Amino acid sequence: DQQVKQNSPSLSVQEGRISILNCDYTNSMFDYFLWYKKYPAEGPTFLISISSIKDKNEDGRFTVFLNKSAKHLSLHIVPSQPGDSAVYFCAASYTGTASKLTFGTGTRLQVTL
Amino acid sequence: DAGITQSPRHKVTETGTPVTLRCHQTENHRYMYWYRQDPGHGLRLIHYSYGVKDTDKGEVSDGYSVSRSKTEDFLLTLESATSSQTSVYFCAISESTSGKSYEQYFGPGTRLTVT
Repeated sequence: DQQVKQNSPSLSVQEGRISILNCDYTNSMFDYFLWYKKYPAEGPTFLISISSIKDKNEDGRFTVFLNKSAKHLSLHIVPSQPGDSAVYFCAASYTGTASKLTFGTGTRLQVTL
Repeated sequence: DAGITQSPRHKVTETGTPVTLRCHQTENHRYMYWYRQDPGHGLRLIHYSYGVKDTDKGEVSDGYSVSRSKTEDFLLTLESATSSQTSVYFCAISESTSGKSYEQYFGPGTRLTVT
C-alpha cells in the first residue's frame, strides 16, 4: 500500500514559468514532510521540508504548501530554471519512528528553454 | 555536502553469492539507513540503525542483513544474492537533534547487478 503518492510521473515546464509538483499521503500520523531532488547517477539531495504545524514553508525559489485536511502537499518552483530538471521525491515521516522516511515514486521535471 | 561514501559504486555478481555494501560517514550522525531505488517504487527502506549495534528492519528487509560496529560504518549484506535484488542502493544519515533529525543526507549510491 503506497502511503505517499506522486501521481504525475513527469512534468514539462518552460524556463521562467512556475513548476508545481504534487504529493498525496494516506497516513494521518505523518507530521513531517520533505522534498528531495535527484539527478541521474547521484544520491537524492534534500531540498525543503515542512512540519505539520505549518501550512507553508519558503526557501528562495522553492515553496512547499501543506493541506492537512486534504492530505496533500505541493512544491512550487518559481521561476523554473533548466538546472531544476531532475526527479523530485516527496517523503514523509512521523514522530517516534527514528526519522524513517516513506517516499513517493517521484516526478521527473523537465524545464525547457 | 555531507561526508558520506559508499563502496563499491558498481558491482556485478552472480546469483547465490554473498555481497556486502559499505557506507561510511564522517559526520558522526547517530542514524544511518539503507534504501533501494527501483523504477515505479521510489526509495524503499531496507534497514536502519539508531546507534552502534542498534539496528531494525525497514519495509523491504527480507534477504538483507546489516551491521554497525562503529558510528561511522554501516554495512548491508545480501547473504545469497538474487536477481530481484538488482537495484541501486543508497545509504543515508541523519542527526539525532530535534528539528533536524528528519532530514536525511544521502550517499552517491551503489549500482548492484545480480546475474
